[in-house]
Amino acid sequence: GAVVSQHPSWVICKSGTSVKIECRSLDFQATTMFWYRQFPKQSLMLMATSNEGSKATYEQGVEKDKFLINHASLTLSTLTVTSAHPEDSSFYICSARGGGNTAEAFFGQGTRLTVV
Amino acid sequence: AQSVSQHNHHVILSEAASLELGCNYSYGGTVNLFWYVQYPGQHLQLLLKYFSGDPLVKGIKGFEAEFIKSKFSFNLRKPSVQWSDTAEYFCAVNAGAGKSTFGDGTTLTVKP
Repeated sequence: GAVVSQHPSWVICKSGTSVKIECRSLDFQATTMFWYRQFPKQSLMLMATSNEGSKATYEQGVEKDKFLINHASLTLSTLTVTSAHPEDSSFYICSARGGGNTAEAFFGQGTRLTVV
Repeated sequence: AQSVSQHNHHVILSEAASLELGCNYSYGGTVNLFWYVQYPGQHLQLLLKYFSGDPLVKGIKGFEAEFIKSKFSFNLRKPSVQWSDTAEYFCAVNAGAGKSTFGDGTTLTVKP
């Protein structure tokens, strides 16, 4: 299957700082990328959908000014957690979908964010 | 909107026992169905998927799942589990745009 890479795998930051997480599709062009958040022992919750070259669509309850998403190219989307607080500590996972009729999205390995 | 329900939150089995994890979804149209596994400390891995065709799908590591359209179900099965199958299992549905809705997950603990 296609490969999606997330970077970094884990990050620790101080409260009030911003953190950027990258999601790259390595061997295909991702017209759409998805960002999920997973709390401990819970399921993945979709945060937002981003299409290359356009603004991201956020799910209800997700603060767009808090979680900035940029999908500037067909192989890269970034999620920036701005002014991070301890409650933002979580596991963030991206997935990427190519064009065409395929509905399958391929997942990155996730990023563990810890805000101290 | 689509939703996914996994009935078993935590399943404990002994090695060699058979496994069946339930997954039901609600969506009126054509869906694509997935089972993912997440081993402790690792990322999501695709176990198997159903898009169309034979409703009995075989995946990796001896897992299989059966899509029963009339019951809106996609249950995961394995005839004989191993200790290494201890993990979190997620059922997911998407309606064709790649945006997946996940179930709450089932924690499987296999006792050696």
